[in-house]
Amino acid sequence: EVQLVESGGGLVQRGGSLRLSCVASGFSFSDYSLNWVRQAPGKGPEWISYISSGGGTIYYADSMKGRFTISRDNAKDSVFLQLNSLRAEDTAVYYCARDRGGSYPYSFDHWGQGTLVTVSS
Amino acid sequence: SYILTQPPSVSVAPGKTARITCGGNNIGIQAVHWYQKKPGQAPVLVVYDDSGRPSGIPERFSGSNSGNPATLTISRVEAGDEADYYCQVWDSGSDHVVFGGGTKLTVL
Repeated sequence: EVQLVESGGGLVQRGGSLRLSCVASGFSFSDYSLNWVRQAPGKGPEWISYISSGGGTIYYADSMKGRFTISRDNAKDSVFLQLNSLRAEDTAVYYCARDRGGSYPYSFDHWGQGTLVTVSS
Repeated sequence: SYILTQPPSVSVAPGKTARITCGGNNIGIQAVHWYQKKPGQAPVLVVYDDSGRPSGIPERFSGSNSGNPATLTISRVEAGDEADYYCQVWDSGSDHVVFGGGTKLTVL
């Protein structure tokens, strides 16, 4: 069974940092691209970032570029999202999601349960 | 940037057919994917590549994209189908994933 388990969320002050982790199991992690997607309260999903299976191709949403950094460790079946310079509007549930595609973000066939990030002002 | 437009809400009686639309510029040449989102749960992919159905998704869920708009069709609607539904594409022009604004499906 494919599983993705996020961790690292919590309450942080505006301007602070957090590092989110997502540990995968049930599939060959190094064969798949991964994404981070967030959903703020009362809003729809918002894509954050993509990393290819080998880590050589990365994409970011414009509003997150320069503040958020995606990375992965295939030896540990894990993908990470470093969040810096956090703002109140970054408050959301953050999900990691497995990508069905290859060299660019395509569609997301498995999602974790999410980790809540709350930025206080 | 590419914009996907969905109706905010759709209501349907149990056993009837719900159709949720997703409009966008030249959407017929895009691969459109659909997700179901229930409160407190992770999104679930219900249709990929316009009309593909992931394993475990009931045949009642189907998709089409022969032009504007793309459409998610849910046949023989059940109370458990009540959720928010989002369409999604990859916009190669901006190298961004785009989600529609979402449609709240209410089962009467």
